Order: sequence, then C-alpha cells, then structure tokens
Amino acid sequence: GAVVSQHPSWVICKSGTSVKIECRSLDFQATTMFWYRQFPKQSLMLMATSNEGSKATYEQGVEKDKFLINHASLTLSTLTVTSAHPEDSSFYICSARVGLAGGGSSTDTQYFGPGTRLTVL
Amino acid sequence: KQEVTQIPAALSVPEGENLVLNCSFTDSAIYNLQWFRQDPGKGLTSLLLIQSSQREQTSGRLNASLDKSSGRSTLYIAASQPGDSATYLCAVRGGGGTNAGKSTFGDGTTLTVKP
Repeated sequence: GAVVSQHPSWVICKSGTSVKIECRSLDFQATTMFWYRQFPKQSLMLMATSNEGSKATYEQGVEKDKFLINHASLTLSTLTVTSAHPEDSSFYICSARVGLAGGGSSTDTQYFGPGTRLTVL
Repeated sequence: KQEVTQIPAALSVPEGENLVLNCSFTDSAIYNLQWFRQDPGKGLTSLLLIQSSQREQTSGRLNASLDKSSGRSTLYIAASQPGDSATYLCAVRGGGGTNAGKSTFGDGTTLTVKP
C-alpha cells in the first residue's frame, strides 16, 4: 500500500529557531500534498495545500511567511516553521494525494503521514 | 465552508457493548468520508473510507454508513474491547468549489472501553 513518511517524528527546538519538516511519498507520486496542524486535545486543521512546482495555497489565518512550504518534487514536500515560538508547538501531519491516470473518481486517494511533534521551548 | 461535527465528544462503555459514533457535515458536496482512529500522541490510522457514491463500508467489527443528502455518517463498533479505546475522527473530503480535495476533520469522539 501507499506509504507517506515524515521526518523528523519529533523535534524540540529553542524559541527563535527554524525547523524543517519533510513529508515523502515513498512508493507513489503525489500531485498534491496537504499540511495539517493539531493542537493538544483539538482536531486537525488544514494549514495549506501544495502542488508540485507551484506556490502553496494557505488557509485563512495561516501566515505564509512563517510556514514556508516547498514542493519541489512529486515525492517530497517540506514545511519550514520560521522563527518558531512556543505557541507553534503542535503536531504537524501531512497527507499526499494521488490520482491514478485514467482512473475514475475512486482512484483519487489521500494518504496521511505519521506526524511530527514539534515542541518549542 | 465545510463544518464537521462529531457527537458525542466522549463516550465510556463497558466491554462488549455495541456503540455508535456520529458525524455530521454541512456541505453535502463531498468526495468521500473517512473514519480514523488516533491513539494519544500518535498519528492517524485509517479505519474506513466511504466514497460519495457508496452508502456503507465494513471492516471486521466496524461498519460505517453514509447518508450524503442528510449530511450524516455513523461508525458502528460491535462488541467493543478495551483495545478500541482511542479518539475517533471523522474527515470529510470536499468534492467541489473551494473545498475541493481538502479534508475537514471533526473534533473527534474519545472512546473509553472499560474491562
């Protein structure tokens, strides 16, 4: 089955530093990747949608200059949290979307990564 | 904007009971609906995915139904076990407009199954 990995699985950093999180589709090419954030005891909230080779589309209220997304290839998207602060501490989850060529609607599937827990001190 | 609501927020049952978790959504123009399980501090485990054209999916002791027109889905868990204790999330994937392709999650139902 399709697998999405994230690296690192957890990270602790000092306030003011930048942190990069990678999301990889291991055995398929992802036309679109999504980044979600989950605060403690809350649900997942979509942050942004990234398509390979183009700029990411951010959801309302998400600062694009703070959360830099790069989707340089069909198997890799990165999220960089710039100048991280304690309030950015959260669980970040990516998902990768694949739609098989020539397939019907049922072949457009989204696979989720295992998440990255960020703690900013 | 799609809104997803899950009821109840928390549920505690004795082992062996059958139970139903509810999910409702406001925009019926969906692509699919997916139920996930999330253990504390962990990622998502996909349980069942129902395409917009389907009415239900079954996997083992789990059965999920979808009534797109009324904006509702239920997850039925038969013969609950302590190992079923987790938070169950419902996610609706948009089928068109500004929601196209995006997943909107409910707040989840936290289930505790007591031995």
